[in-house]
Amino acid sequence: AQRVTQPEKLLSVFKGAPVELKCNYSYSGSPELFWYVQYSRQRLQLLLRHISRESIKGFTADLNKGETSFHLKKPFAQEEDSAMYYCALMDTGRRALTFGSGTRLQVQP
Amino acid sequence: NAGVTQTPKFQVLKTGQSMTLQCAQDMNHNSMYWYRQDPGMGLRLIYYSASEGTTDKGEVPNGYNVSRLNKREFSLRLESAAPSQTSVYFCASSDRGGSYEQYFGPGTRLTVT
Repeated sequence: AQRVTQPEKLLSVFKGAPVELKCNYSYSGSPELFWYVQYSRQRLQLLLRHISRESIKGFTADLNKGETSFHLKKPFAQEEDSAMYYCALMDTGRRALTFGSGTRLQVQP
Repeated sequence: NAGVTQTPKFQVLKTGQSMTLQCAQDMNHNSMYWYRQDPGMGLRLIYYSASEGTTDKGEVPNGYNVSRLNKREFSLRLESAAPSQTSVYFCASSDRGGSYEQYFGPGTRLTVT
């Protein structure tokens, strides 16, 4: 069965510090991985997907198949990055997502 | 263009009562999904519909039924609510082509007493 693990419930950093939100997965096939973000009083929305290899709002995530990880990184955190972050793995059959339990990022001034 | 809408936003039920959560999308998406979100557990898939006229069980379907009324609407029904169904319910939709990005509704917070 596929699984996504986010080991940290809360990550608190100061503004300007680097951020790394950890995500590990288990999946027997070729994974499609995503990071979704939920800002306060907003709906869950896509932040980035590994296929696109893009950088959104300064965030990047690299798929490491050897370590089965898809960690989210940003070199300099901003206060507006404070939110709940979910790593998600797509079931290629159903096209439905399996989510991790989420990490709350708090960026302090 | 409202995206994905859900009604109601909040609901309190007594054990044994029934209710239907409504979801609609105006993006002409083929696929629609119902998830529940519980503290410390992320979102879990209840049911999904790959296209109009089809529905399939997800990870946690027990105690729920769904109806894909048309391409726009996908409802979730609780026939006899239980306290274990206290949760936040999210509807989502996606296009089966392209990026498969899922678009989420604002959620329905349900409390069963």
